[in-house]
Amino acid sequence: GAGVSQSPSNKVTEKGKDVELRCDPISGHTALYWYRQSLGQGLEFLIYFQGNSAPDKSGLPSDRFSAERTGGSVSTLTIQRTQQEDSAVYLCASSSWGTGGPEQFFGPGTRLTVL
Amino acid sequence: GQNIDQPTEMTATEGAIVQINCTYQTSGFNGLFWYQQHAGEAPTFLSYNVLDGLEEKGRFSSFLSRSKGYSYLLLKELQMKDSASYLCAVKWGNAGNMLTFGGGTRLMVKP
Repeated sequence: GAGVSQSPSNKVTEKGKDVELRCDPISGHTALYWYRQSLGQGLEFLIYFQGNSAPDKSGLPSDRFSAERTGGSVSTLTIQRTQQEDSAVYLCASSSWGTGGPEQFFGPGTRLTVL
Repeated sequence: GQNIDQPTEMTATEGAIVQINCTYQTSGFNGLFWYQQHAGEAPTFLSYNVLDGLEEKGRFSSFLSRSKGYSYLLLKELQMKDSASYLCAVKWGNAGNMLTFGGGTRLMVKP
């Protein structure tokens, strides 16, 4: 497909378990962002990858959250020892300033529920 | 910190015009975006302003005043399908790559 894809679409886990969320950006997009959106709230920035540069992790809420991007493409967001307040929709977006427009293209999100 | 303010909710009538305001205070400025988000869906891009003035795109227009830290999204000839949240986002930072979103304005269009 041509768009940003994320998996899984839904994830239900028990408190204390680790989860991994995956994002496949649009091919050729150098920038990749992770956001979190709680019910009825705005988007909360988590982490940003640009090419091969070190990621900007300034938005990660705690050291339980980490992300990596392998080969400049696919990204994985990992949440360790999940808590109930981690329940939210996790959105991934990609963009390419060099070859395309300035906008970010969002994936469908992963809805995480921590019981 | 970065601060972006927009009204939480607005209501308008089908066929009317509505203006959604956004004010911002950020460390640097490299452009302002408006996104539309229908309930349960991902945000989709509407507009991008980097210079002062009005950008028109069909029924939607977006205005920017950098000196005032102010933008608005204007929706004309409202349709029921325009009921959605509208997100204002500002690109900022030394490298111009950080994007901070406002809390969104939920617009309800009534017949």
